[in-house]
Amino acid sequence: DIQMTQSPSAMSASVGDRVTITCRASQGISNYLAWFQQKPGKVPKRLIYASSSLQSGVPSRFSGSGSGTEFTLTISSLQPEDFATYYCLQHNSYPPTFGGGTKVEIK
Amino acid sequence: EVQLVESGGVVVQPGGSLRLSCAASGFTFDDYTMHWVRQAPGKGLEWVSLISWDGGSTYYADSVKGRFTISRDNSKNSLYLQMNSLRTEDTALYYCAKDISADYWGQGTLVTVSS
Repeated sequence: DIQMTQSPSAMSASVGDRVTITCRASQGISNYLAWFQQKPGKVPKRLIYASSSLQSGVPSRFSGSGSGTEFTLTISSLQPEDFATYYCLQHNSYPPTFGGGTKVEIK
Repeated sequence: EVQLVESGGVVVQPGGSLRLSCAASGFTFDDYTMHWVRQAPGKGLEWVSLISWDGGSTYYADSVKGRFTISRDNSKNSLYLQMNSLRTEDTALYYCAKDISADYWGQGTLVTVSS
């Protein structure tokens, strides 16, 4: 099975900061990677698919990049509503696997 | 509008069985792979199982293999998860999700395994 190592597991940031979250795959997954945001008590929401395609309706401050084994989710200017936990999901090979999550907290 | 509505979550004793359902609407159900994903209280997302559009291919996480069975009825736009030999560590909110990259999720149904 492919392991997805997400880092950091938690971080503190301020409104307006640029935030970068990384997922590393234990083997190449091409661009079969999605990013999700989950707020407390809420359903996960897909932000990015195919590594870098922005889900319709998601603000453009979110972007994704990477291919193969290393992927990043970037929030260009953190907003109050972006404080949440973020997960990556690889679906290149089965079983699909999630990263462990990154909790973004207010500094 | 895509809607996924899970049901069937209850409190069950260890060793018990349960069947979860997910009713889909707003899209052509039999065009899409479907997933079950779970989240234990205070924990991250764990992928559980996947079924191809026609039900011909199924996959399971090692943690549930041999105990859970995923199925679908395309005539009823419904996805199912038969859960047997339940363990306390199966306690979680269970979500169904549409498409291989999980573009839409239901609200989840809570399964509690406890004596």
